[in-house]
Amino acid sequence: SAVISQKPSRDICQRGTSLTIQCQVDSQVTMMFWYRQQPGQSLTLIATANQGSEATYESGFVIDKFPISRPNLTFSTLTVSNMSPEDSSIYLCSVSPGTYNYGYTFGSGTRLTVV
Amino acid sequence: GENVEQHPSTLSVQEGDSAVIKCTYSDSASNYFPWYKQELGKRPQLIIDIRSNVGEKKDQRIAVTLNKTAKHFSLHITETQPEDSAVYFCADTNMEYGNKLVFGAGTILRVKS
Repeated sequence: SAVISQKPSRDICQRGTSLTIQCQVDSQVTMMFWYRQQPGQSLTLIATANQGSEATYESGFVIDKFPISRPNLTFSTLTVSNMSPEDSSIYLCSVSPGTYNYGYTFGSGTRLTVV
Repeated sequence: GENVEQHPSTLSVQEGDSAVIKCTYSDSASNYFPWYKQELGKRPQLIIDIRSNVGEKKDQRIAVTLNKTAKHFSLHITETQPEDSAVYFCADTNMEYGNKLVFGAGTILRVKS
């Protein structure tokens, strides 16, 4: 299965600022996903990122707040913009190797605290 | 999948006993059902999965069963050990379409020694 390097692992940010989270995969993958996990909660999908096209956002998440880049098949970034304390959460990227290839894997997560 | 319900939210068992976690999905097009274990402060780790053309799958102490008619799938852990204590998430997806995983709410499993 794919190995994902995600950074930063944690950050403390001032409200109103932005943070960009990076995920690097050790192999080419078709789809990358960005999730948010609030304390004690399940994983909520923010968006799906395909290389060469705009990300597809889930209900409740918008591009202006969570812009995503997917410049190639091994890399993606998620930016959390104009942060507020409500954005404090763990953000995780995940990859799917392909349509008929199973075994979604996750990055190690970014623990974001907004003060 | 559209929605996945997971029960119970917490489960306490004595070491050596079995644990069962159940999930119900709503999207009849779902055809892949993974289970993840997440230890405190760590990423979710895939522990077992099942495809819609299979009714049961086992891997040592862990098994998953799928009832497509009832849209239920369950995780069974036998001979539980303290290191099984974690949060377990079920999920579903349709591998021919968007491929996004939809997760259940999670089950906190505590194995008491």
